[in-house]
Amino acid sequence: EPEVTQTPSHQVTQMGQEVILRCVPISNHLYFYWYRQILGQKVEFLVSFYNNEISEKSEIFDDQFSVERPDGSNFTLKIRSTKLEDSAMYFCASSRNTYGYTFGSGTRLTVV
Amino acid sequence: ELKVEQNPLFLSMQEGKNYTIYCNYSTTSDRLYWYRQDPGKSLESLFVLLSNGAVKQEGRLMASLDTKARLSTLHITAAVHDLSATYFCAVDVSGSNYQLIWGAGTKLIIKP
Repeated sequence: EPEVTQTPSHQVTQMGQEVILRCVPISNHLYFYWYRQILGQKVEFLVSFYNNEISEKSEIFDDQFSVERPDGSNFTLKIRSTKLEDSAMYFCASSRNTYGYTFGSGTRLTVV
Repeated sequence: ELKVEQNPLFLSMQEGKNYTIYCNYSTTSDRLYWYRQDPGKSLESLFVLLSNGAVKQEGRLMASLDTKARLSTLHITAAVHDLSATYFCAVDVSGSNYQLIWGAGTKLIIKP
C-alpha cells in the first residue's frame, strides 16, 4: 500500500535555528498538508497546498513557516527560527481527491 | 469558529464490553473522519463519513454520522485489548476540503 514518507523521524535543534522537515507524498496525490501535534494534545492544522500554492493556512502558520514542493515529489516544511513552543510531532498528509487523507509517520521536533 | 468536542476524553473498560465515543461539532459539515493513534505513532484512518446517515463498520468498530444533530458516534462492540489506543474525530471545514479540525481525542484503555 502506498505510503507518505517523512524524514527525519526525530530532529533536535537549538532555539533560533532553522529546520526543514521533509515529506514524500503518495505519487498520484494532488493535495498536501502539514499538521502538528504537541505532546498529548490535539492535532492542529498548519497548512494545505494544492496546485503549487498554499490553499489554506492556520493562525499557527505565521511568517516563520514556509512550505515548498521543490521537485514534484518532495514537500517540505521550513521553520526559520525555531522556538521552544515549536516542539511537537509534525505530520505530513496527502490526498488524491477531496477526502481520504493519508498521514505520514511523523517527525518529532524537539527544540532545546 | 468550528469546535469539535469528543467525549469521553478517557475511557477504561473491560474486554467484552460495549461502549460509544461521541463527537459533536459546532458548524455545518458533511464530512467526518475517525482516526486511531497508538502511542508515539501516526494517525491511522478508520472511517470517512461523507453524508448524513452514513454508517460504516469495520470489525468491532462502527461509526455513524448525523449531520443535522452535528454528531458522530464511534461504537465499540465486545472490546478487545488490541483496540486500546487514542481515537480522534476530525471534521472537514464545510466547503473547504483543505483542513481538518480535530477533537481532543479519546484515550481508550481496554483491560484484559
